[in-house]
Formats: sequence, structure tokens, C-alpha cells
Amino acid sequence: DGGITQSPKYLFRKEGQNVTLSCEQNLNHDAMYWYRQDPGQGLRLIYYSQIVNDFQKGDIAEGYSVSREKKESFPLTVTSAQKNPTAFYLCATTGVSGQPQHFGDGTRLSIL
Amino acid sequence: SQQGEEDPQALSIQEGENATMNCSYKTSINNLQWYRQNSGRGLVHLILIRSNEREKHSGRLRVTLDTSKKSSSLLITASRAADTASYFCATEGYGGSQGNLIFGKGTKLSVKP
Repeated sequence: DGGITQSPKYLFRKEGQNVTLSCEQNLNHDAMYWYRQDPGQGLRLIYYSQIVNDFQKGDIAEGYSVSREKKESFPLTVTSAQKNPTAFYLCATTGVSGQPQHFGDGTRLSIL
Repeated sequence: SQQGEEDPQALSIQEGENATMNCSYKTSINNLQWYRQNSGRGLVHLILIRSNEREKHSGRLRVTLDTSKKSSSLLITASRAADTASYFCATEGYGGSQGNLIFGKGTKLSVKP
């Protein structure tokens, strides 16, 4: 089954801790994206990658980091520098520009 | 930065009625897309309309685009309780931002049986 898998579904972060959210895809898409969604809000772009070993900051990259070592994987680390990390995080992919994005089912991050 | 603004923020209708949601944006676009999000889930793509198109249909969905007014509308006809969800418009620009989407804040639709 082709798709995007985000894990875990729920994640809790302690003070001063870094946590990593996983995003894996088997759609053979080049571009991958990370979004943050706050309650009642739209999606805001954190980071994106259009090709392996390359990624760009989005609108709200501060306090986050990513890597793109494999085409299938685009993990997001929420660092301790992100002071307000509680949100719903969504990963998406697309094959080429001008085509729709495909989304995973999200990870909900909360503070302990 | 958020480009799309949906209107209304929330909409409550009875099953069988039509639902219309509007989206306005600020800069030139390559295309505009509509997505649906069920509570606690990811977004699902509904329709993509390119800047040189004025109207598109998909089943009970009809999307219009007016580039002179920088606005789009999504019409869901004969709504069902299962249509209850949040609906987002997203715009794709040109150049360096090509491929990237800018999302609005969404319209929360409630369809009562």
C-alpha cells in the first residue's frame, strides 16, 4: 500500500528534551514537507526538502531541525530551543510541483 | 505567512443542503487547491484548479476561481453528515516557492443529520 507513515501518533516531551518525529514514504516522491498546526489554525511550513541531502527552512524553522539522508525518510527533531512545541505535526510529500500534496496522519506533541 | 483566508470560519447546515466556502488570497498563483481534514487526521486533497481555469467539478464538489478578484469558492452539493470536517484552501506560487503551499485557516463545516 503506497502512502506516508508518521510515528508516533502521540508524543510527550519533557523540559529540555529533544524529540524526533518520524515520516516515511513509499510513494517515490522527491519533495517532502513538515507543517505545524495549532488548534483552529491552518498549516504553517517548518522545513521542506526537494531532493535527498538538501532541505530549506520554512516560515517557522526556529527550534526545529531536519535531515534528508534517504529519499523515503524526512525526520523532524523538535529541540529544547522550541519553547512552545505543543501542536499537531503533519508531514506531506509531492512528486512534482503543480501536483497535490499527500499527507500523513500526523503526530500530536504535548509537554509533560 | 498565511495567504489564503477562508470565509466563513464555521458553517452549520442540515443534511441535503448545499455548503459554500470562500477563499481569498493576496499574490499571483500557479494553482489553488482545496483540502479536507477530519478531526485529528491528516489532510486529504479534494480538487486542484490551475490559474488558467475558471471552474472544476468532482462528484458533488464544484470549485470556481476568479484570478481578477483573487478568490475561489468550494461548493458541496447535497451535503451528508460524513462531509463534516474542516476545509482548507492552499495556494502554490511561482519561482523559488514553486511546489510549496500556503494554507488558509480553514472553514469548519458541520452537517447535521
